[in-house]
Amino acid sequence: DADVTQTPRNRITKTGKRIMLECSQTKGHDRMYWYRQDPGLGLRLIYYSFDVKDINKGEISDGYSVSRQAQAKFSLSLESAIPNQTALYFCATSSPGADVHEQYFGPGTRLTVT
Amino acid sequence: GQNIDQPTEMTATEGAIVQINCTYQTSGFNGLFWYQQHAGEAPTFLSYNVLDGLEEKGRFSSFLSRSKGYSYLLLKELQMKDSASYLCAVSAGNNRKLIWGLGTSLAVNP
Repeated sequence: DADVTQTPRNRITKTGKRIMLECSQTKGHDRMYWYRQDPGLGLRLIYYSFDVKDINKGEISDGYSVSRQAQAKFSLSLESAIPNQTALYFCATSSPGADVHEQYFGPGTRLTVT
Repeated sequence: GQNIDQPTEMTATEGAIVQINCTYQTSGFNGLFWYQQHAGEAPTFLSYNVLDGLEEKGRFSSFLSRSKGYSYLLLKELQMKDSASYLCAVSAGNNRKLIWGLGTSLAVNP
């Protein structure tokens, strides 16, 4: 089974709709992240959470909100989707105490806003 | 400011060796990561350097010079499946967040 899972994997929605992307992990990591990736712009951090009670904005948080329901779950919401939020979204986890504190990524959610 | 630079695209031939460079300017350096990302898929971890020198892992090696703010990823005996984007990322600051380069798209031709 995958260590970091994302649902849905693909979603097409209309402008103005509310949408939630979900992320679950079985790695036991405290830290979780949401990124979006656009061609030519690389990975950009939306929000990150260092534990259940610690949530922080990333570089592009406008138009997004998050919820850390448990150590294993971190959800990203688009309150009113707009076409320029069309992108590939990744959830990631990490363990900062590890010597090699790499981030582990989920498979991604491809979101299209029409 | 914090910045990471890597070439946008590279092309190489199957069986050859290719070196992908990464230069960075960050404060509070903790380590440097290389990731591989195939089109439409998630990035996957390749290597980590925290001390100066070369780390070798099979066909892939990664080098770091902290004084020069420079790293490279060396891929040997290139295979078609190595066609992918290679992302350089620096861990910086007390919170160990990753700062990402835009990635180098490598095309391996027969």
